[in-house]
Amino acid sequence: AAGVIQSPRHLIKEKRETATLKCYPIPRHDTVYWYQQGPGQDPQFLISFYEKMQSDKGSIPDRFSAQQFSDYHSELNMSSLELGDSALYFCASSSGRTGKLFFGSGTQLSVL
Amino acid sequence: RKEVEQDPGPFNVPEGATVAFNCTYSNSASQSFFWYRQDCRKEPKLLMSVYSSGNEDGRFTAQLNRASQYISLLIRDSKLSDSATYLCVVNMGYDGGATNKLIFGTGTLLAVQP
Repeated sequence: AAGVIQSPRHLIKEKRETATLKCYPIPRHDTVYWYQQGPGQDPQFLISFYEKMQSDKGSIPDRFSAQQFSDYHSELNMSSLELGDSALYFCASSSGRTGKLFFGSGTQLSVL
Repeated sequence: RKEVEQDPGPFNVPEGATVAFNCTYSNSASQSFFWYRQDCRKEPKLLMSVYSSGNEDGRFTAQLNRASQYISLLIRDSKLSDSATYLCVVNMGYDGGATNKLIFGTGTLLAVQP
């Protein structure tokens, strides 16, 4: 069965650079979530989309933005990167508002 | 106080042991509950949903106590492959938006020893 696809798997950037992370949800899933997970931390909710419309925002910095496109894939754009942005970024999708999330393998972002 | 709290562990248990994790949540209006498993630097994977009547999946049993606002996960006959972090997730429902508000606990680390 198709899973949530994230790219790239690893990304190395320098401070003040920009990064774009991509997520392709499971087909026919109507909801996409983005999470940030620092070392030893639980996943922190950043932002969610329902049927391509932004729905909720969590602890997402103003330097970050996200959108969901007509083909349902989503992108997380991160600008003016800081050392503290180094983390695993997960995208998850769900269907029918069940609350059951299916996660992608994540993007490991390292800011040097 | 965090909305969802778990004992971070680590729980070090021998193979074959029975181990139980608890998770407490603060919002009595929470609607649904889940246990996820996360291996080191991997994505969380849904282990099981948690129902008021309790539910079992092989060696895993989950329970929900709404009155006391806690959920539990019991693992019987622990295997080495059960070693992972177990995340409790509480669904607060639609908190003003169109998507579920899902709150993760900090996770409980289980290490099964040979």
